[in-house]
Amino acid sequence: EAGVAQSPRYKIIEKRQSVAFWCNPISGHATLYWYQQILGQGPKLLIQFQNNGVVDDSQLPKDRFSAERLKGVDSTLKIQPAKLEDSAVYLCASSLGQGEETQYFGPGTRLLVL
Amino acid sequence: SQQGEEDPQALSIQEGENATMNCSYKTSINNLQWYRQNSGRGLVHLILIRSNEREKHSGRLRVTLDTSKKSSSLLITASRAADTASYFCATGSGNTGKLIFGQGTTLQVKP
Repeated sequence: EAGVAQSPRYKIIEKRQSVAFWCNPISGHATLYWYQQILGQGPKLLIQFQNNGVVDDSQLPKDRFSAERLKGVDSTLKIQPAKLEDSAVYLCASSLGQGEETQYFGPGTRLLVL
Repeated sequence: SQQGEEDPQALSIQEGENATMNCSYKTSINNLQWYRQNSGRGLVHLILIRSNEREKHSGRLRVTLDTSKKSSSLLITASRAADTASYFCATGSGNTGKLIFGQGTTLQVKP
């Protein structure tokens, strides 16, 4: 079974630029999560999708972050404009359904904002 | 917001020794999970314990949960160099599957 795929793996941008991350969850997984993990901390949930609907985006900085999952499969997370404090690893995870507790994580995208 | 507080933040042991990590949380939960993260990689699910369970085993892993103290511990027995990683507890509550992660414990196992 293929795991969660993410791209790119690394990205370096300057502040005020925009950046987008892509995630392909495990086939058949209805729920998709985006997390932000700052160095030395645990992952923090940014947004959760159930199919193509948003379940929880309470911690998404909506003035600069946006995410979509148009066909209920792949998802993109965008930051525009980026700030220095956005430097982090962005992790995508998926689970079978909304009530399924085990999450499967991708390798993450490491973002550095200069 | 971070729900879990993990202790210790860092742990260094010799191969063959046991490693114990603790996690405390603040609100009521449905389940508590432990994940491992190797340097530069994503998280891997290790074990899940539900709120009505007190202890669970999986291979060399033993997890306990004390809901009255709002705490959990992860024991890795007979550690190996390959166990070197960061370990995170995550609490699940409600019915959305949402997890709140702790800050993690960094474990180093010296060969």
